[in-house]
Amino acid sequence: DSGVTQTPKHLITATGQRVTLRCSPRSGDLSVYWYQQSLDQGLQFLIQYYNGEERAKGNILERFSAQQFPDLHSELNLSSLELGDSALYFCASSVAALAGGYAGGNTQYFGPGTRLTVL
Amino acid sequence: QKEVEQDPGPLSVPEGAIVSLNCTYSNSAFQYFMWYRQYSRKGPELLMYTYSSGNKEDGRFTAQVDKSSKYISLFIRDSQPSDSATYLCAMQTSGSRLTFGEGTQLTVNP
Repeated sequence: DSGVTQTPKHLITATGQRVTLRCSPRSGDLSVYWYQQSLDQGLQFLIQYYNGEERAKGNILERFSAQQFPDLHSELNLSSLELGDSALYFCASSVAALAGGYAGGNTQYFGPGTRLTVL
Repeated sequence: QKEVEQDPGPLSVPEGAIVSLNCTYSNSAFQYFMWYRQYSRKGPELLMYTYSSGNKEDGRFTAQVDKSSKYISLFIRDSQPSDSATYLCAMQTSGSRLTFGEGTQLTVNP
């Protein structure tokens, strides 16, 4: 158990709908990352938040947005869902914001994921 | 061209074999190198972490990084059926995002 929690475990919805995925980081971690894992794309970085502020953005679609709340949990919002959005969505957390800013880099610990199926 | 290349396998070995998993990369800015293990699309679990070139050993696992060749390896000694999983290499610059390889699916047969 990494200490990172994600809800829900599974989500089945229809095209055009909107869903919210939730992540709670490990105790003491200030950074939260979202990754998408699809069968044909592998694990892809979406976005990072550090202590409530957006720090880095990857190939995140405009239909997707995220935020980190004062209690450090994060939510990933996916709207106008398409069939191609079906994937595993993982949240990870780390202590530091940057790899070079902490001894040992900023080791990222992953949650169990949310499996999203868009029908 | 992908920044990180990893042979997806599948790789099948008998119990007790030495397993060698490899990744190559093109971005010379990568400084931190990791190996994650993922069982059946569960959350990736960090196995090994290495900074810059060199070797690191942890039990049956040894990670090697050769920055001059842009090549990293993970060796598993005395492989066990419980090692059957997908192994993902991941890399990081001084920033934050992890760039992953495609993953190698490993099966260790009893």
